[in-house]
Amino acid sequence: SAVISQKPSRDICQRGTSLTIQCQVDSQVTMMFWYRQQPGQSLTLIATANQGSEATYESGFVIDKFPISRPNLTFSTLTVSNMSPEDSSIYLCSVDSSGGLGGEQFFGPGTRLTVL
Amino acid sequence: DAKTTQPTSMDCAEGRAANLPCNHSTISGNEYVYWYRQIHSQGPQYIIHGLKNNETNEMASLIITEDRKSSTLILPHATLRDTAVYYCIASNTGNQFYFGTGTSLTVIP
Repeated sequence: SAVISQKPSRDICQRGTSLTIQCQVDSQVTMMFWYRQQPGQSLTLIATANQGSEATYESGFVIDKFPISRPNLTFSTLTVSNMSPEDSSIYLCSVDSSGGLGGEQFFGPGTRLTVL
Repeated sequence: DAKTTQPTSMDCAEGRAANLPCNHSTISGNEYVYWYRQIHSQGPQYIIHGLKNNETNEMASLIITEDRKSSTLILPHATLRDTAVYYCIASNTGNQFYFGTGTSLTVIP
């Protein structure tokens, strides 16, 4: 299994500002993922972040709004840019333990973001 | 990835088996069935996954029908701590997970 930490655990931000969320894994992994969970909703995949390549974004999510970095095999960041109250959500990162071979995914504890 | 459908909510008496169904009628041959649960907006917790055969681990059992169009997660002796939202996901690589609405399980004392 993989142990994943996220920083910050929660934050309250003003409209129009940006927040960078960090995701740290205790082992090297090829694939990392970012999800959003809006209040009372299920999880929605934002993007896939592989080390050494550009992140792949899902429909409805764009790089200008959610830039992602993946500088090495244990770390990734997600920035929520020019925030509005609609961005208030829990943001979660996850990792694939098997390198895409049908293994389980492990999730971080999430970052709870409130935008005023 | 295949779309899954689950009942919105279920109740189960403490100590009894909880049987959570999932329909994935459009699943393809190389797609696994994964089960996760989420307690109080924490990060989802992995429970079990399988491809064709039934699987069992220390947490639960997964029963997949022969045609693979549906599956059932079984928690053999539900406790109050099993109260959570349970998600069934079909994915062909174990990578991108597309979550449905899940089943909110309430274990009743």
